[in-house]
Amino acid sequence: AQSVAQPEDQVNVAEGNPLTVKCTYSVSGNPYLFWYVQYPNRGLQFLLKYITGDNLVKGSYGFEAEFNKSQTSFHLKKPSALVSDSALYFCAVSSVASGTYKYIFGTGTRLKVLA
Amino acid sequence: DAGVIQSPRHEVTEMGQEVTLRCKPISGHDYLFWYRQTMMRGLELLIYFNNNVPIDDSGMPEDRFSAKMPNASFSTLKIQPSEPRDSAVYFCASRKGAGGSQPQHFGDGTRLSIL
Repeated sequence: AQSVAQPEDQVNVAEGNPLTVKCTYSVSGNPYLFWYVQYPNRGLQFLLKYITGDNLVKGSYGFEAEFNKSQTSFHLKKPSALVSDSALYFCAVSSVASGTYKYIFGTGTRLKVLA
Repeated sequence: DAGVIQSPRHEVTEMGQEVTLRCKPISGHDYLFWYRQTMMRGLELLIYFNNNVPIDDSGMPEDRFSAKMPNASFSTLKIQPSEPRDSAVYFCASRKGAGGSQPQHFGDGTRLSIL
């Protein structure tokens, strides 16, 4: 069965410190991996994706993510957190096995950046 | 460019009433997805369309739910009759292309409350 795990419901980090939001996955075949951010009363906004190539992917708002095939992980990172980064973050994976590349979403991680 | 547009943003109605949610995808996108988000169940895929044709409706919870896409620029999700447990945020998303490399783009959702 295909699945995505975001092991932390909430991550707290001080402003200016680096942040990591974790994601691990289990899929058949080569995965396509995505991170989205959701602010209150808004839809999910695309941050970045991994399709193939470099394991370090750069995205919007200074975020990046590291793909690790052996650990089947795709952790979201940012070198210096901002209070405005506080939001709900979702990891999603798709593959040909998920049927027309439907998303399988993680349960979300709430990021709180403290001033 | 205009993103995915959903209406209404908020809907409050009484149990038993018919509810219609609307979505306008991004022009040129050939896939359209309907999701439901709740605290208990997270993000659930209800149904998706390709070129206006429903491909997979296995996520539609009951026969009370129906979705249509009469043309490339409009889709509806209808609940009849509505029940309090249908209260959730409903999102529409669109994507260009069958391959998994393109991200889905989400609207800001309709917050539905059934009294």
